[in-house]
Amino acid sequence: AQTVTQSQPEMSVQEAETVTLSCTYDTSESDYYLFWYKQPPSRQMILVIRQEAYKQQNATENRFSVNFQKAAKSFSLKISDSQLGDAAMYFCAYRSAIRGGSEKLVFGKGTKLTVNP
Amino acid sequence: GAVVSQHPSWVICKSGTSVKIECRSLDFQATTMFWYRQFPKQSLMLMATSNEGSKATYEQGVEKDKFLINHASLTLSTLTVTSAHPEDSSFYICSARDPRGRNQPQHFGDGTRLSIL
Repeated sequence: AQTVTQSQPEMSVQEAETVTLSCTYDTSESDYYLFWYKQPPSRQMILVIRQEAYKQQNATENRFSVNFQKAAKSFSLKISDSQLGDAAMYFCAYRSAIRGGSEKLVFGKGTKLTVNP
Repeated sequence: GAVVSQHPSWVICKSGTSVKIECRSLDFQATTMFWYRQFPKQSLMLMATSNEGSKATYEQGVEKDKFLINHASLTLSTLTVTSAHPEDSSFYICSARDPRGRNQPQHFGDGTRLSIL
């Protein structure tokens, strides 16, 4: 079974600074997707960024980028120029891309990010 | 705008009553939907996978007679918490898989806060 581990229960960053959230995963599959979701106090689940395992290039979305290390099974999220609105819980998630495989998302336990003004 | 609508957003009811939560995909047909439960300050826990036209697949430890799932159409899945008790109080979130495109992303509803008195 796949597992996702987020080893940082809480992180804090100064506004305008950069912060990196860690995520490792375990799988025996060769094709899969990795995601970072943001959950603000409103509890909506907002997709921040996604990475396809077969792509070597790291995904980027504006101020958000990932460092995907497939061999190490690591998938960290970097937030640049942090803003107050970035404060939220961040969840790393895994999903199989194997045809006929499980479609469910496997979530890590989350990292609570605080942005200090 | 939202592509998955979840209703109601908040419900308070007496112990022993049954509560139905709806999850609708608004601009795509969802053959697969997912139901999650989230306790305060914890991650999302998958309860079941809802498949249109067939029985739901429940995760280990989830009582299927307690949490009834019906996916009668390609745009609607319902979760009914039967004979609810205070320990069923939680935040319930649905997601729907968009079959369009290779990524087939999951879109989340805004969640339902269930409080059983």
